[in-house]
Amino acid sequence: GQQVMQIPQYQHVQEGEDFTTYCNSSTTLSNIQWYKQRPGGHPVFLIQLVKSGEVKKQKRLTFQFGEAKKNSSLHITATQTTDVGTYFCAGTNNAGNMLTFGGGTRLMVKP
Amino acid sequence: GAVVSQHPSWVICKSGTSVKIECRSLDFQATTMFWYRQFPKQSLMLMATSNEGSKATYEQGVEKDKFLINHASLTLSTLTVTSAHPEDSSFYICSAGPPSALQQETQYFGPGTRLLVL
Repeated sequence: GQQVMQIPQYQHVQEGEDFTTYCNSSTTLSNIQWYKQRPGGHPVFLIQLVKSGEVKKQKRLTFQFGEAKKNSSLHITATQTTDVGTYFCAGTNNAGNMLTFGGGTRLMVKP
Repeated sequence: GAVVSQHPSWVICKSGTSVKIECRSLDFQATTMFWYRQFPKQSLMLMATSNEGSKATYEQGVEKDKFLINHASLTLSTLTVTSAHPEDSSFYICSAGPPSALQQETQYFGPGTRLLVL
């Protein structure tokens, strides 16, 4: 079955440093979505990438979808304490009927 | 964005009792809703797909007789954990998308229900 791996599992950064989480799928994806879950909260949708090689930006966040549509990354520039949380990628299979979450990357930011 | 609510947000129950969790789409109709379970510091695991007016589709390894799903209307799906045991303690989250959505579209998550079975 479809598997989505995410690395790293945990990341501690000093406030102001950059952060990147990587997502890899065992199969080609129709699209990939990114979610953020604050401690004690529920996942909140951040963005969806659909096209091969797509790059989207949201302020300090940059999202990329690989050319082969099997991997993706989320990069945060100059992290802030408000960025703390777990970032999940979720990939949709080509049939469009299965959304599989990665294991998540837990980001901790030291002020 | 679309709003999905869940009730209750917390529930503590004794082993052997049944617990019902409601998931509502507040400002849109959802023919399909999804139920996830999340253990501490782990990812979301899809349990089942709830289909309005028909039977739910369960993921492999999820007991359909234990986790009863009813999607009686376009805005409400319920998950009943029957004869709950301590190992069922978890964070249960539902999600739904706009009417045209399949899994491909944005999913809006409910706030989740924390279940603790004593």
